[in-house]
Amino acid sequence: GENVEQHPSTLSVQEGDSAVIKCTYSDSASNYFPWYKQELGKGPQLIIDIRSNVGEKKDQRIAVTLNKTAKHFSLHITETQPEDSAVYFCAASDYNFNKFYFGSGTKLNVKP
Amino acid sequence: GAVVSQHPSRVICKSGTSVKIECRSLDFQATTMFWYRQFPKQSLMLMATSNEGSKATYEQGVEKDKFLINHASLTLSTLTVTSAHPEDSSFYICSARRGQRNTEAFFGQGTRLTVV
Repeated sequence: GENVEQHPSTLSVQEGDSAVIKCTYSDSASNYFPWYKQELGKGPQLIIDIRSNVGEKKDQRIAVTLNKTAKHFSLHITETQPEDSAVYFCAASDYNFNKFYFGSGTKLNVKP
Repeated sequence: GAVVSQHPSRVICKSGTSVKIECRSLDFQATTMFWYRQFPKQSLMLMATSNEGSKATYEQGVEKDKFLINHASLTLSTLTVTSAHPEDSSFYICSARRGQRNTEAFFGQGTRLTVV
């Protein structure tokens, strides 16, 4: 089955700096890669996603890049704000979108 | 975006009792719902996938007789933890997928189960 690895496990940045979280996946059949933000005691919220036919997608301060050949994708947050502090999960989905395999999570701390 | 509501958000129960958690899609029909379990500071582990009107598909290692899943309608799936034990204490999260091929999955707010 699919194996998704995520790094780093924790990330501390100064407000205004950029943050990058990286994930790798193992199954070349995966073709949908969402990113979720989870705040303490709450369920994950989708923040951005990308499909395998696209190399990059941007939504305001958030961007995701995908390298299908190398099987890795990254989340980029620019101009970080304290409210960006949360745990971020990457995920990969199989061709039929039947299952989502999650990375281990990255705790992002944005210091004011 | 679409809304998935999970109830209750917190529940404390005694060992040996059963607890039911509801997952509702409020503004869309969910043909497929997923149940996850999350331990503190860990990732989400898929427990089972339920399709409306059919039996749930459980992941390897998940006891189907202990974690009963029912997806009786296009807007409601329930997870019942039977004969709960302290080791069942965890954060349970459901998600719902709209349509057959739509990729986006919407998550509920989670249920914190504590078994004492």
